[in-house]
Amino acid sequence: DAMVIQNPRYQVTQFGKPVTLSCSQTLNHNVMYWYQQKSSQAPKLLFHYYDKDFNNEADTPDNFQSRRPNTSFCFLDIRSPGLGDAAMYLCATSQLEQGEDTDTQYFGPGTRLTVL
Amino acid sequence: EDQVTQSPEALRLQEGESSSLNCSYTVSGLRGLFWYRQDPGKGPEFLFTLYSAGEEKEKERLKATLTKKESFLHITAPKPEDSATYLCAVTSGGSYIPTFGRGTSLIVHP
Repeated sequence: DAMVIQNPRYQVTQFGKPVTLSCSQTLNHNVMYWYQQKSSQAPKLLFHYYDKDFNNEADTPDNFQSRRPNTSFCFLDIRSPGLGDAAMYLCATSQLEQGEDTDTQYFGPGTRLTVL
Repeated sequence: EDQVTQSPEALRLQEGESSSLNCSYTVSGLRGLFWYRQDPGKGPEFLFTLYSAGEEKEKERLKATLTKKESFLHITAPKPEDSATYLCAVTSGGSYIPTFGRGTSLIVHP
């Protein structure tokens, strides 16, 4: 089945120690998104790639960066995690084109980040 | 700026007790309205996309409807396994970036 995969599912890091989260997709979608979600809150968009074009949200801290080396993979780098960065990180994809399914996002299972 | 408001914030039902969740939106030109189910500790699972007022979609015990101001997610004869948070999101105008509501937490008691 076509899907969005995130690794690892659980990540524990120390305060200030860089961490990388990964996302891969078999849907061949042209847009990939990274969201941060804290308990009982809506997902908050950090950034997204439309093909190779990177789009950063205005309020995303500089501590967060992303890479998309190819269509299938996208990475979230947190350079110096703080306690406030502990959250669920969600990767999503969508295919932007005319048709019934445009704009619909498909999410991965998420990575739960704990910062000690 | 797009706004999405979901109500109620939490809902407790007895198994078999049908009900509806509401998603009210304020946008300039709706592109799409999306419903997701999210289980604790997991990513949102896509349920439905609606594009125009009057549109309806069904899946098992769930039925989503859309008007020009709101969408309803009707749950018929719910079961305990329907317990989850249900998220609504919209895209509008020239933007494909969705605005999410805060969700409705549904608990269905056996």
